[in-house]
Amino acid sequence: RKEVEQDPGPFNVPEGATVAFNCTYSNSASQSFFWYRQDCRKEPKLLMSVYSSGNEDGRFTAQLNRASQYISLLIRDSKLSDSATYLCVVNPYNQGGKLIFGQGTELSVKP
Amino acid sequence: DAGITQSPRHKVTETGTPVTLRCHQTENHRYMYWYRQDPGHGLRLIHYSYGVKDTDKGEVSDGYSVSRSKTEDFLLTLESATSSQTSVYFCAISESDGEGTQYFGPGTRLLVL
Repeated sequence: RKEVEQDPGPFNVPEGATVAFNCTYSNSASQSFFWYRQDCRKEPKLLMSVYSSGNEDGRFTAQLNRASQYISLLIRDSKLSDSATYLCVVNPYNQGGKLIFGQGTELSVKP
Repeated sequence: DAGITQSPRHKVTETGTPVTLRCHQTENHRYMYWYRQDPGHGLRLIHYSYGVKDTDKGEVSDGYSVSRSKTEDFLLTLESATSSQTSVYFCAISESDGEGTQYFGPGTRLLVL
């Protein structure tokens, strides 16, 4: 079983749609969690951190469920520019900052 | 954008040849990482450094070595390249060891024939 699992997609949605991605992780002692965004043939970039209380940044909402060991990302009012691969990232406890990346979920927003 | 560059950006080499990839940062961050990214696997950590001359292995370190003689430079060497090392290599930096985020370089596309 992979340490971080994501549905690779692709998710094909029309502009304006709401789309949600989930990610599960296996290490219950994991400390911190992130969503990164990666455009085609580009480097990953931090989208947002994920807190137990949930957090929102504009159209993006991230939530963490420690009991069920999953993380979610909700994108509202999708834009064409949201098309990218979204990487779920976990920082396991006491691993010296060695992040564990999911393989990513591909999102394609169509006009 | 964080000041991270990687060189070369693209390289084609033959099996059995040594290859060195360079990561250079201007942020004076303590931590530096080398990842490879392959379809179906996501990003996997090869080696990382937590200071000058301080390095440790990651998940997929076999066949790779690293060196960090200066804060700003982290070198990844493939001692004898194999076709299985064809991949996209990303360098990343971070200021802290987990609470902060990692900033990635633009990547190096390596093809081993």
